[in-house]
Amino acid sequence: DVKVTQSSRYLVKRTGEKVFLECVQDMDHENMFWYRQDPGLGLRLIYFSYDVKMKEKGDIPEGYSVSREKKERFSLILESASTNQTSMYLCASSPRQVAMYFGPGTRLTVT
Amino acid sequence: QKEVEQDPGPLSVPEGAIVSLNCTYSNSAFQYFMWYRQYSRKGPELLMYTYSSGNKEDGRFTAQVDKSSKYISLFIRDSQPSDSATYLCAMEGNNRLAFGKGNQVVVIP
Repeated sequence: DVKVTQSSRYLVKRTGEKVFLECVQDMDHENMFWYRQDPGLGLRLIYFSYDVKMKEKGDIPEGYSVSREKKERFSLILESASTNQTSMYLCASSPRQVAMYFGPGTRLTVT
Repeated sequence: QKEVEQDPGPLSVPEGAIVSLNCTYSNSAFQYFMWYRQYSRKGPELLMYTYSSGNKEDGRFTAQVDKSSKYISLFIRDSQPSDSATYLCAMEGNNRLAFGKGNQVVVIP
């Protein structure tokens, strides 16, 4: 079974803090993704990576950065958290986009 | 026109009924069509995917794709309370992946 794990299920941070969200997959997938999910807006792609040390901007990259130093690990960084970044963050990995495996999600609240 | 349109619901049905969900899309480059199920406070999980037009059946689930109408459907037969979840359609083509916003389904015992 493919497993995608995320470092935290729930996180509360203050405005201006630097936030790290970690994602690890155990299936040797090349592709990894970070989405945020908000009511009424659905899933929106923040960043993705097709290989180690490689990253591509998604539809809403502003205010975020990513790091992929190892194949199995993809980190999302909020440089200076703001209240409009309160959301559910979902990491996913896939050998190809048609079979995307999601992690359980991190519900981030920025106060 | 939005790339993928999906009625958000909620859709409430009695246990045992057939659940019918659908999405429309505008990008004719889409070739792969997927359905994900998402339980509350969990990540989406892949239910089924189909390539191009046609039908695919997996147990109580049937996925249909009509590329000429740019319309895809998911049917759930003999629905169970455990089918209560949000169902998201997704489509991929030319390295572009797009999700619907999800349709909440409630199966009432």
